[in-house]
Amino acid sequence: DAGVTQSPTHLIKTRGQQVTLRCSPKSGHDTVSWYQQALGQGPQFIFQYYEEEERQRGNFPDRFSGHQFPNYSSELNVNALLLGDSALYLCASKNPGQGDTGELFFGEGSRLTVL
Amino acid sequence: DAKTTQPPSMDCAEGRAANLPCNHSTISGNEYVYWYRQIHSQGPQYIIHGLKNNETNEMASLIITEDRKSSTLILPHATLRDTAVYYCIVRVEFARFGAGTRLTVKP
Repeated sequence: DAGVTQSPTHLIKTRGQQVTLRCSPKSGHDTVSWYQQALGQGPQFIFQYYEEEERQRGNFPDRFSGHQFPNYSSELNVNALLLGDSALYLCASKNPGQGDTGELFFGEGSRLTVL
Repeated sequence: DAKTTQPPSMDCAEGRAANLPCNHSTISGNEYVYWYRQIHSQGPQYIIHGLKNNETNEMASLIITEDRKSSTLILPHATLRDTAVYYCIVRVEFARFGAGTRLTVKP
C-alpha cells in the first residue's frame, strides 16, 4: 500500500515562473492538505481539499492555488514565483470520517528552489 | 487555534529516556494533542496523540497534565535514529506547526 506520493522531488525555477506540484494521497484517503516548509521552520498550512473543493486556507496569497481531482489526487500551483517561495512543499492526506481526530500522513515533499 | 510552545533544542544520551515538553495553555476542551517528528527534510511522521488520558504506543508515551495545558512526549530508550525535530500540535485539522524541538541523541 503506497503512502502519500509527491512529484517532482526537486525542481528549480526562476522568478516570475509558474510551478505545479502533484500529490497522490494514501489509498482510501479523500482529504489532501498542502504545507510550505521554509528552511529551519515548521510546516505552514496552505490549504486543504475535500470533495474537490478548497475547505480551508491558511495565510497565503492568491498566487497559491490548488485543485483536487475525482480520484482524490491534488495539485498545488504557484504563479509569479518569488525567491521567498523556495521551500519544501509537503502534501498530507487523512482518512475520511475521522473529523478532527486521526493522523495526517505526509509525503516526502517537493523541494522548490527559485533563482 | 491553540498555540503550542516548545523548547528549541534538547540533547539526550543514547539509551536514556528523552522527555520533550510542550505548552498548550489555550487548548480547547475537545482538541487533541498530536506529536510528529521530522528527520532531516523528510516528511513529518506521526508519533502519538491524546485528548486527556495518558497514551502509549510502540514509539512513545504521551503524558497530558490534568488541566491539559501542557504535555510531555517520552521516548523511553532514545537511539541515534531518534535524532529529529519533534513537533507538538493541537487539532490535526488544518494543523499549524511551530518550530518544534530539535532533539539530538548523543552516543
